[in-house]
Amino acid sequence: EAGVVQSPRYKIIEKKQPVAFWCNPISGHNTLYWYRQNLGQGPELLIRYENEEAVDDSQLPKDRFSAERLKGVDSTLKIQPAELGDSAVYLCASSLVASSDTQYFGPGTRLTVL
Amino acid sequence: AQRVTQPEKLLSVFKGAPVELKCNYSYSGSPELFWYVQYSRQRLQLLLRHISRESIKGFTADLNKGETSFHLKKPFAQEEDSAMYYCALSKGRRALTFGSGTRLQVQP
Repeated sequence: EAGVVQSPRYKIIEKKQPVAFWCNPISGHNTLYWYRQNLGQGPELLIRYENEEAVDDSQLPKDRFSAERLKGVDSTLKIQPAELGDSAVYLCASSLVASSDTQYFGPGTRLTVL
Repeated sequence: AQRVTQPEKLLSVFKGAPVELKCNYSYSGSPELFWYVQYSRQRLQLLLRHISRESIKGFTADLNKGETSFHLKKPFAQEEDSAMYYCALSKGRRALTFGSGTRLQVQP
């Protein structure tokens, strides 16, 4: 079992450029999360999906961030345009059903915006 | 709003010494509390959850609703316990709210 897969692992871009992150959750996990982790902080939720429906996106900066989860499996998180303050680690996690289930995290994508 | 506070950024102990990683939370009602751990070069993973009431790798945590705390304890620290520890809270179908983490350094 590969666990949650994320790509790319590292990304360096200049500000105002677009960037996209991809996540493949554990097979059979209906709930998928995107978290952002700033340096020295714990992860903070950006968006949560149950199957293909975004059920909690209140923390997603919708002016520049977008996400989708096609067919309730893989998910993509996009930033356009990126700002210096977006530099962080972007974590994807999945759980079987509800948030109270164990969440399994991917390795994360470290984004650096220059 | 729910909030998790881990007051120590770094906790350094010697091997064999007792360990207590502090976690306080604010939430009205009965949340679920978790401890997640991230070892060097590994992904974040669940260590334990309060409803399981189990000991994992010698660690235990007791939910104290009166003090709104969920401190993580281990009687004798091992070098392999060195890692980043995050306390987290969840209520119902909400996502986890994490604390800012405590780095545990166990010296030989």
